[in-house]
Amino acid sequence: IAGITQAPTSQILAAGRRMTLRCTQDMRHNAMYWYRQDLGLGLRLIHYSNTAGTTGKGEVPDGYSVSRANTDDFPLTLASAVPSQTSVYFCASSETQNSPLHFGNGTRLTVT
Amino acid sequence: GQNIDQPTEMTATEGAIVQINCTYQTSGFNGLFWYQQHAGEAPTFLSYNVLDGLEEKGRFSSFLSRSKGYSYLLLKELQMKDSASYLCAVKDSNYQLIWGAGTKLIIKP
Repeated sequence: IAGITQAPTSQILAAGRRMTLRCTQDMRHNAMYWYRQDLGLGLRLIHYSNTAGTTGKGEVPDGYSVSRANTDDFPLTLASAVPSQTSVYFCASSETQNSPLHFGNGTRLTVT
Repeated sequence: GQNIDQPTEMTATEGAIVQINCTYQTSGFNGLFWYQQHAGEAPTFLSYNVLDGLEEKGRFSSFLSRSKGYSYLLLKELQMKDSASYLCAVKDSNYQLIWGAGTKLIIKP
């Protein structure tokens, strides 16, 4: 079934540790995105990539990095996790900048 | 600043009709999206409006007035499975999506 796969589904992480959230899509979409979702707030864009080889900063990029070596994969790395990064992280993709987003099932991350 | 406003929570009865409003103030406008998100799940796309007027898709319709910075999502013949959060999002002049916090819709039998 075509779509977006995120891993892990959930993770408890000690503060200060490094963590990479994985995201893979098989729809050959050009654009990919990382969002975090916190209670009472709208989805907030962390980083995005309009096409393989390019990335850009979103609304809340600090403490996160991304890479887009190919069309399918868009990993998100927390270099040194802090408790404020406790959140649900969604990876999404779209065929073009104007197309609807397709979301992965999310990663629930708890930083202690 | 840019912001999207929607009611935090609404309650409706199975079989009835409910209208979820969304008002926005953004730098530029390149379309408005509605998504549905069941608890613990990913958002899924419902509708897209870029021109003024009503877009109908089965039991769901979405309306847009660009001059008023206003949209609504209309859900007819409500079913229990419609209990979910409904997210309004606007694409600004840079084609970045600005998201509302979502409206939690509770359907009662």
